[in-house]
Amino acid sequence: GAVVSQHPSRVICKSGTSVKIECRSLDFQATTMFWYRQFPKQSLMLMATSNEGSKATYEQGVEKDKFLINHASLTLSTLTVTSAHPEDSSFYICSANPRGVVMSTDTQYFGPGTRLTVL
Amino acid sequence: AQSVTQLDSHVSVSEGTPVLLRCNYSSSYSPSLFWYVQHPNKGLQLLLKYTSAATLVKGINGFEAEFKKSETSFHLTKPSAHMSDAAEYFCVVSETGGFKTIFGAGTRLFVKA
Repeated sequence: GAVVSQHPSRVICKSGTSVKIECRSLDFQATTMFWYRQFPKQSLMLMATSNEGSKATYEQGVEKDKFLINHASLTLSTLTVTSAHPEDSSFYICSANPRGVVMSTDTQYFGPGTRLTVL
Repeated sequence: AQSVTQLDSHVSVSEGTPVLLRCNYSSSYSPSLFWYVQHPNKGLQLLLKYTSAATLVKGINGFEAEFKKSETSFHLTKPSAHMSDAAEYFCVVSETGGFKTIFGAGTRLFVKA
């Protein structure tokens, strides 16, 4: 089946630094990728929708200058948390929708997530 | 507006006994409903989906769910729990044909030997 990977799986950084998280579709091309954030014991919240070759669409309340998203190729999207602070500590999950497949919830393939801890 | 509520933050069952994970939803549109499972360090995996066809939906690994419009519920069941079922389960609602997903808070399933 379709596989999505994320790197790194876990990262610890100091407050004020920037962290980049990669999301890759390993065996398919993805025109659209999604980024979610999951707080402990809470559900996943959609942060942004990333389309290859165009600007990401951010959900209300998500700071686009804080969470930079780049979808430079059909297999890679990156999320950069700029000037990270402890409140940015969370579990970040990406998902990808295969190219040529009608986009719907059940055609999203999820990555394993990245645990970010900001000290 | 759409929302989804998972009524239990955690459920504990013994191996071989039935599993019931409860989910209620609200939707202004004709909803599609899903259950996903998340094992530690693994991506979310689709268990089953309801998209306005049969109200009783069968999924993978012996799970099934019944869509009850009158009760706005979509509870997940399995007749006999297995140790490998221990994981986090998410109920998800979206507009039929849409991709914007609303996740429930999750239910952690513990299976005792």
